[in-house]
Amino acid sequence: AQSVTQLGSHVSVSEGALVLLRCNYSSSVPPYLFWYVQYPNQGLQLLLKYTSAATLVKGINGFEAEFKKSETSFHLTKPSAHMSDAAEYFCAVSDQRGFKTIFGAGTRLFVKA
Amino acid sequence: EPEVTQTPSHQVTQMGQEVILRCVPISNHLYFYWYRQILGQKVEFLVSFYNNEISEKSEIFDDQFSVERPDGSNFTLKIRSTKLEDSAMYFCASKLQGDQPQHFGDGTRLSIL
Repeated sequence: AQSVTQLGSHVSVSEGALVLLRCNYSSSVPPYLFWYVQYPNQGLQLLLKYTSAATLVKGINGFEAEFKKSETSFHLTKPSAHMSDAAEYFCAVSDQRGFKTIFGAGTRLFVKA
Repeated sequence: EPEVTQTPSHQVTQMGQEVILRCVPISNHLYFYWYRQILGQKVEFLVSFYNNEISEKSEIFDDQFSVERPDGSNFTLKIRSTKLEDSAMYFCASKLQGDQPQHFGDGTRLSIL
């Protein structure tokens, strides 16, 4: 069975500050891991994915995430927050068959001017 | 860039009525999914479809739910007898192959009265 835990339902940062959104996963098989962003009244947009290649994954909009197997973590970071980053962020895990993807509860990011 | 399209964007239905939500996945994709998101809650997996059959389904996907790919382009979700608790945003997604990320539509907001 697979599961995802996102620590912090809300994160608030100042514009220009570091963004860190935490994600821990549980998987009995090698996982694929994803971060998605959701803007109000829209679907989910892929930020980045880990599929067993490089452990440091770079995505769109300056985001990156590091897969740490020993910590079962896949935290999302961005060095400098922008107002347009304010959204809901979802971490997700699937097995390598890809038939089922489990999403975390989401973290809403607020960016203060 | 190709998109997953969902229609309608908003569906209002009386409790007990049947509803069909429609999706047009990206044309060369092979895996298809339905998710739901109750207002303010996490994205929940409903069902995946591959090679013309259900590949996996969640406990939410009971006998009231069914999926079809009737004509090689559309992918539908049917709820036979809707309940108030079916009110949610329903997202369709598709992907090309196992290690690729899913592409999401913008969702259909289903309101059961």
